[in-house]
Amino acid sequence: QPVLTQPPSSSASPGESARLTCTLPSDINVGSYNIYWYQQKPGSPPRYLLYYYSDSDKGQGSGVPSRFSGSKDASANTGILLISGLQSEDEADYYCMIWPSNASRVFGGGTKLTVL
Amino acid sequence: EVQLVESGGGLVQPGGSLRLSCAASGFTFSSYWMSWVRQAPGKGLEWVANIKQDGSEKYYVDSVKGRFTISRDNAKNSLYLQMNSLRAEDTAVYYCARDYDFWSGSKWENYFDYWGQGTLVTVSS
Repeated sequence: QPVLTQPPSSSASPGESARLTCTLPSDINVGSYNIYWYQQKPGSPPRYLLYYYSDSDKGQGSGVPSRFSGSKDASANTGILLISGLQSEDEADYYCMIWPSNASRVFGGGTKLTVL
Repeated sequence: EVQLVESGGGLVQPGGSLRLSCAASGFTFSSYWMSWVRQAPGKGLEWVANIKQDGSEKYYVDSVKGRFTISRDNAKNSLYLQMNSLRAEDTAVYYCARDYDFWSGSKWENYFDYWGQGTLVTVSS
């Protein structure tokens, strides 16, 4: 099972942008995968936010604000979730996921985002 | 409205068994792959198993292979997870999730679009 690496924590102030990263192991090319992002608030199940493959192949979850967007940094083999115009309600845990096959789903360890 | 309601969690001793259920409503259950995802206390998410629409394909994370069995009853709109030989490390909230298939670029892809509220399984003596 590949391991997706996410920083344990991140913080930013309201109105600023938060850039959350998800780094794939070196033997897996981020360019080959859709990167999925989920948000989880305390006591609640995860909520699907979006996926990103490329600028021409991406999708937003139902009701997810356009402030949430995805991208990739191929040089760092990393998927990125960008949250612009941070709001206090964005404080949550964020998980990335890839779908290598029907036989596997792999989540990152999650990043706890604090809105200062 | 899509609803997924898990049940069957509880306290069980190491080596014991438990059967989780997930009652689905608000959509055509038989048209979707379904999954179980778990989350240990204070930890991240871990996909556990999934099952094809007709039950003909089932997949598991390595750590539960041979101990857990996923199944479904489309006539009852229900998903199940039979958990045997339980270990302390199986302690977690277990979520039932719907797999949503979509065409992405040049391939089929899949994400979890609806989740239940979860049921807590505690393995302890």
